[in-house]
Amino acid sequence: GAGVSQSPSNKVTEKGKDVELRCDPISGHTALYWYRQSLGQGLEFLIYFQGNSAPDKSGLPSDRFSAERTGGSVSTLTIQRTQQEDSAVYLCASSSPPRAWDSPLHFGNGTRLTVT
Amino acid sequence: AQSVTQPDIHITVSEGASLELRCNYSYGATPYLFWYVQSPGQGLQLLLKYFSGDTLVQGIKGFEAEFKRSQSSFNLRKPSVHWSDAAEYFCAVGAPRNSGAGSYQLTFGKGTKLSVIP
Repeated sequence: GAGVSQSPSNKVTEKGKDVELRCDPISGHTALYWYRQSLGQGLEFLIYFQGNSAPDKSGLPSDRFSAERTGGSVSTLTIQRTQQEDSAVYLCASSSPPRAWDSPLHFGNGTRLTVT
Repeated sequence: AQSVTQPDIHITVSEGASLELRCNYSYGATPYLFWYVQSPGQGLQLLLKYFSGDTLVQGIKGFEAEFKRSQSSFNLRKPSVHWSDAAEYFCAVGAPRNSGAGSYQLTFGKGTKLSVIP
């Protein structure tokens, strides 16, 4: 079946512009995660959605970052007034709780964001 | 809060040689432990996971990992490396969330890049 789909795969933007990154999770997966991967820094947790519960936004680095998930499926990560330090690969993952043991994260291929 | 340390940033091995990638974690209870692999331009693929039971777990592509509670380690091993194993490897620790039954917070290490010499 289809995996996690992210678009665009690459995005180049000018400093100060807003960008939107999209994630289509695996159908039926209720949990959705956004991570940021910077060179040599591993994966940094950004935000987590689970069903209709309030999202866990504890990883968002600043108020320029926001995310929403419509209808419990597609998610959009928005970065306002982009800065050069926002350049990274943004990864989306989904999983299907409630059995954590059986619900590993499935990752998309990411969106590579470059801020010039 | 949980944390993961992968001491080796970059490892180079010859094809056919054995491999061990180190991972140490910090977490107060029994963690969920994972190894993921990321090939260039790709997302992360789950290699194996540990939650409970047998401390030696088998994964895909001939990988295995051993959970050692006394050492807070979850090292990844492969007896004979293939050129296609060249990739970046991430260890992760998962801690159950209070909200969302069965879901968990996954914290990753910074990764170990594996190069394979033909």
